[in-house]
Amino acid sequence: DAGVTQSPTHLIKTRGQQVTLRCSPKSGHDTVSWYQQALGQGPQFIFQYYEEEERQRGNFPDRFSGHQFPNYSSELNVNALLLGDSALYLCASSLPFTGYTFGSGTRLTVV
Amino acid sequence: AQSVTQPDIHITVSEGASLELRCNYSYGATPYLFWYVQSPGQGLQLLLKYFSGDTLVQGIKGFEAEFKRSQSSFNLRKPSVHWSDAAEYFCAVGAPNTGNQFYFGTGTSLTVIP
Repeated sequence: DAGVTQSPTHLIKTRGQQVTLRCSPKSGHDTVSWYQQALGQGPQFIFQYYEEEERQRGNFPDRFSGHQFPNYSSELNVNALLLGDSALYLCASSLPFTGYTFGSGTRLTVV
Repeated sequence: AQSVTQPDIHITVSEGASLELRCNYSYGATPYLFWYVQSPGQGLQLLLKYFSGDTLVQGIKGFEAEFKRSQSSFNLRKPSVHWSDAAEYFCAVGAPNTGNQFYFGTGTSLTVIP
């Protein structure tokens, strides 16, 4: 049984560019959450998708947006990249009120 | 607001010694509590979780954690540490009224020496 799959694993972008990260949840999971983990920090909640809608959002600017597809997979989009957006982006899938299953993350470097 | 504090940024223990990692949370009611482990460059793996019931929770890899409501704590323990336990450990809290939004502590880095 495949767990959470994220792509790509690594990415280098230039300031001002846009990036799209992808996530396939664990089989049977209908909720996808995205987290940003800066170096040496704990994960910070970006937003959560359920039934193709953004259900909750953390303290992140509108440059961060997302989407969930009917098959529960999800995308995270970041516009107008800043150097400070460099981080490990983690996708987690879950069922209601259960622990997350995390993917291995996408390492984004903005230069 | 919910928050999680992990007071120890870094801990070093000898292989075979016991381990306790501290976690304190802030929340008005009983939250959902979790411990995750992260190896370098990897995602997070769930060690154990507490929702309700028995306050001593058993997890994978020989870890356990005890929920103490009076102290707002959820400390992680292991009686005998193995070299493979070296990793970053994160405590997380989820508030029942916010569904699956979790808040993570800043992590404790564990080094195991032979």
